Amino acid sequence: GENVEQHPSTLSVQEGDSAVIKCTYSDSASNYFPWYKQELGKRPQLIIDIRSNVGEKKDQRIAVTLNKTAKHFSLHITETQPEDSAVYFCAASKPSSRGSARQLTFGSGTQLTVLP
Amino acid sequence: DTGVSQNPRHKITKRGQNVTFRCDPISEHNRLYWYRQTLGQGPEFLTYFQNEAQLEKSRLLSDRFSAERPKGSFSTLEIQRTEQGDSAMYLCATPGVAGGPSSYNEQFFGPGTRLTVL
Repeated sequence: GENVEQHPSTLSVQEGDSAVIKCTYSDSASNYFPWYKQELGKRPQLIIDIRSNVGEKKDQRIAVTLNKTAKHFSLHITETQPEDSAVYFCAASKPSSRGSARQLTFGSGTQLTVLP
Repeated sequence: DTGVSQNPRHKITKRGQNVTFRCDPISEHNRLYWYRQTLGQGPEFLTYFQNEAQLEKSRLLSDRFSAERPKGSFSTLEIQRTEQGDSAMYLCATPGVAGGPSSYNEQFFGPGTRLTVL
């Protein structure tokens, strides 16, 4: 099955600096890669995603890049703010052989702390 | 807010008891997922419904776990003879949010039910 590895597990940055979180996946059939932000005690919230036919996607201060050959993808947050502090999870999914299931396999998370 | 509701939000039970959780998705989305998230880890896939049909089940879903989705609307997840290792957040997810289109890829989580087994 799919295996997603994520690093670093913790990341501290000064407010205004950039943060980069990296993930690798094992199954070359995976073709959808979302990123979730989870604040303490709350649900994971989808913040950005990328499909395998795209190399980069940007949404304001966040961007995701994908290298299919190397099977890795990264989340970039620029001009970080204290409210960006949370746990970030990457995930990967591939088409299912049954129906339209798209089960997500998650990384182990990165605790991002933005220091004011 | 995704428009997905889950009840109860918190459940404390003693080992060996049975518990049942409920997920009410947005009515127009026919696909529904259950995940489990333990402390400090990412969510893990448990099972998937397309309408009322349970099409995929994870190996994590032991025979003590059962899920249903009668009539393709709300879904329930039951755990029999709970064990301390079942303590986790149980999340359901749907492919869209309230008022939005249904997506093939995207999954939006409900608020979850936090289970504590004593």
